[in-house]
Amino acid sequence: AQRVTQPEKLLSVFKGAPVELKCNYSYSGSPELFWYVQYSRQRLQLLLRHISRESIKGFTADLNKGETSFHLKKPFAQEEDSAMYYCALMAGRRALTFGSGTRLQVQP
Amino acid sequence: GAVVSQHPSRVICKSGTSVKIECRSLDFQATTMFWYRQFPKKSLMLMATSNEGSKATYEQGVEKDKFLINHASLTLSTLTVTSAHPEDSSFYICSARPHGGGLQTQYFGPGTRLLVL
Repeated sequence: AQRVTQPEKLLSVFKGAPVELKCNYSYSGSPELFWYVQYSRQRLQLLLRHISRESIKGFTADLNKGETSFHLKKPFAQEEDSAMYYCALMAGRRALTFGSGTRLQVQP
Repeated sequence: GAVVSQHPSRVICKSGTSVKIECRSLDFQATTMFWYRQFPKKSLMLMATSNEGSKATYEQGVEKDKFLINHASLTLSTLTVTSAHPEDSSFYICSARPHGGGLQTQYFGPGTRLLVL
């Protein structure tokens, strides 16, 4: 069975500081990894997916199969980045398996 | 963009009653909808996968007779919590995968908060 681990419940940084939200996964096959974000009082929305290799709102994430990680990074955090971030894995045709989430607080 | 709605947004009911939660895809057809449950400060846990015109697939440990799922059309799936008890109080979230869309595409509803007294 697949599993997603986000070791940090809360990450607090100052505006302009670099951010790294950790995500590790376990799955025997080739997973597809995602980062979802939930801003205050809003629904869950897709931030980025590993196959797209894109940068969204300054965030990037690289899939490291050797370390089974998919950490989310941003070089300079902004206050509007404050939100709940969920790492998720999709195996085959099944639904998403979510990590427990990390709350990012960006202080002015 | 694609929008998924849920109704009601919150509901309070007495123990023993049944509650129906609707999940609608407003501007697209969804052959597959997913139902998740989220406990306070916890992650989303998949409850079941709902496919239009067929029986839902439940995750291990989820009682199918307690959480009835009906996906009668390409834009509507319903979750009925039967004989609700206080331990069923939670935040229920649905997501919808567009018909013809990639397997990776899911749009989430805003969630329904259920409180069972």
